[in-house]
Amino acid sequence: EIVMTQSPATLSVSPGERATLSCRASQSVSSNLAWYQQKPGQAPRLLIYGASTRATGIPARFSGSGSGTEFTLTISSLQSEDFAVYYCQQYNNWYTFGQGTKLEIK
Amino acid sequence: QVQLVQSGAEVKKPGASVKVSCKASGYTFTSYGISWVRQAPGQGLEWMGWISAYNGNTNYAQKLQGRVTMTTDTSTSTAYMELRSLRSDDTAVYYCARDPHPIRLGEWFDPWGQGTLVTVSS
Repeated sequence: EIVMTQSPATLSVSPGERATLSCRASQSVSSNLAWYQQKPGQAPRLLIYGASTRATGIPARFSGSGSGTEFTLTISSLQSEDFAVYYCQQYNNWYTFGQGTKLEIK
Repeated sequence: QVQLVQSGAEVKKPGASVKVSCKASGYTFTSYGISWVRQAPGQGLEWMGWISAYNGNTNYAQKLQGRVTMTTDTSTSTAYMELRSLRSDDTAVYYCARDPHPIRLGEWFDPWGQGTLVTVSS
């Protein structure tokens, strides 16, 4: 099983600043990686697939990068609605999720 | 719009079974797959399995093999997930999600259903 490790577990950032979230795979997943946002009491929402392609309706302040085993989700200028938990998911070999990064207001 | 609507919350006793439904609308049901994902209270996401709405083929997570069955009813565009021999650690919110490829797993999930809370307690 491919293990996905996200860091940090919690990230405190002020509104308007940039946030950088990391995701590492235990073996190469090529570009078969997605990012999801989950707010309390809600289902996850797809943000990024193919490591860097924004899903329909996702604002341009969200960007993804990386390939192989190292991936990054960047939110360029944090809005109040962006504070949530973010999960990465590999779909190269079955499916596994990272444990999540909680993005909180500083 | 594309939508997945799940059945309501369930409370079950240990050893019982639960069957959760997921009704799709806004797209051609048989052109996609459906994955099921669960989330224990305060925890992360765990993929449970996938079913092709095109031909009914399934792939289940190894840890749930033998306890889970996923089916579809193409006449009503509904997917079902049944979990048997329930234990307290099966308490979770269960989500269905559309999986883009109809023949094989290995894609992202979009959209997701609203979730169904299953509580296992004596």
